[in-house]
Amino acid sequence: AQTVTQSQPEMSVQEAETVTLSCTYDTSESDYYLFWYKQPPSRQMILVIRQEAYKQQNATENRFSVNFQKAAKSFSLKISDSQLGDAAMYFCASYSNFGNEKLTFGTGTRLTIIP
Amino acid sequence: EAQVTQNPRYLITVTGKKLTVTCSQNMNHEYMSWYRQDPGLGLRQIYYSMNVEVTDKGDVPEGYKVSRKEKRNFPLILESPSPNQTSLYFCASRSGVRNQPQHFGDGTRLSIL
Repeated sequence: AQTVTQSQPEMSVQEAETVTLSCTYDTSESDYYLFWYKQPPSRQMILVIRQEAYKQQNATENRFSVNFQKAAKSFSLKISDSQLGDAAMYFCASYSNFGNEKLTFGTGTRLTIIP
Repeated sequence: EAQVTQNPRYLITVTGKKLTVTCSQNMNHEYMSWYRQDPGLGLRQIYYSMNVEVTDKGDVPEGYKVSRKEKRNFPLILESPSPNQTSLYFCASRSGVRNQPQHFGDGTRLSIL
């Protein structure tokens, strides 16, 4: 079974600053993926970034990047140059290719952007 | 436009009155899933389907039914809803090609009184 833990229920950051959201996971699988999803007040689930476990290079998408530490089972999200539109709930999730087509989610981190 | 469409977006109903939440995707995806989102718990999988007529239970299937008679549709059925099924529900679909992410619908807010 996979588990995902987000230990920061809430975070805040000043506009234009950088913030890092933490995520740890546990899995017995060797072939898995990790994701960060953003959920704004509109409730949509928006894929922010994903990482394949077999790739050592950290994924980046514009202002979003991850720090993937496979041995430590850590997968943090860094948001650079924070913008007001980044305010949302952020969910970390894991997926195994040999499982039951399930994304296992953490409990989420609510990010507030301070103008 | 590629999308996953859920209906209704909002529903308030009463205990015991059967309801169906529809989910349709236009991307010819093999895999489809239902999740529920509750505060402090994240999203949890209810049921999933790997193709037509192939469905299986997720982590929290009690009180729910699904069917997959057509590839594009995956309705979630609550035969006798109860207040503990008040939640935000998401349908998701994914291509069978390796490394493809799940696409989520916009969510359905259900309130069972």
